[in-house]
Amino acid sequence: AQTVTQSQPEMSVQEAETVTLSCTYDTSESNYYLFWYKQPPSRQMILVIRQEAYKQQNATENRFSVNFQKAAKSFSLKISDSQLGDTAMYFCAFMKHNSGYALNFGKGTSLLVTP
Amino acid sequence: GAGVSQTPSNKVTEKGKYVELRCDPISGHTALYWYRQSLGQGPEFLIYFQGTGAADDSGLPNDRFFAVRPEGSVSTLKIQRTERGDSAVYLCASSLTLGHRGELFFGEGSRLTVL
Repeated sequence: AQTVTQSQPEMSVQEAETVTLSCTYDTSESNYYLFWYKQPPSRQMILVIRQEAYKQQNATENRFSVNFQKAAKSFSLKISDSQLGDTAMYFCAFMKHNSGYALNFGKGTSLLVTP
Repeated sequence: GAGVSQTPSNKVTEKGKYVELRCDPISGHTALYWYRQSLGQGPEFLIYFQGTGAADDSGLPNDRFFAVRPEGSVSTLKIQRTERGDSAVYLCASSLTLGHRGELFFGEGSRLTVL
């Protein structure tokens, strides 16, 4: 079974600053996907960024980037130039590649962006 | 539709009652997923469908929970003899194909409260 751990229940950052959210996972799989999903107060989960385990290059989507360390089983999310609209719960998630299409989510990190 | 639609948005029921939660996925999406999110937790996988068939129902907690997708579009999650521990937000998601590199589109959820 795969487990996903987010050790930071809450984080706070000032507008325009950079913040990093941590995630570690445990798996015996060699090929898999990792994700960060955002859940604003509206409850609708939105995919922020995706990383395929076989790719060494870290994924980037505009202000969002990841630091993927496969050997350490670490997958952190960096948000640059934080905006008030980034305030949300952020969930790290794992999915096996080509089998077992259930997402395994961590408990989440609540991010507050302050003016 | 434009997005995943879930009804009702909120449901309050008494212990022992029967409940149905409905999910209308994005048009053209063949895969549909149900997750349950308890307070302060990440979503937990319940079941997913590819077309009309339940491809994986290993996350259903017990036989009081059942889900159908008779025509390969709308899905209904059915909970019999509800218990207080069933109180949670039930999230539905759809994707173009099963798994689809983890890009799931979520609805806003149905909040179930069992008194």
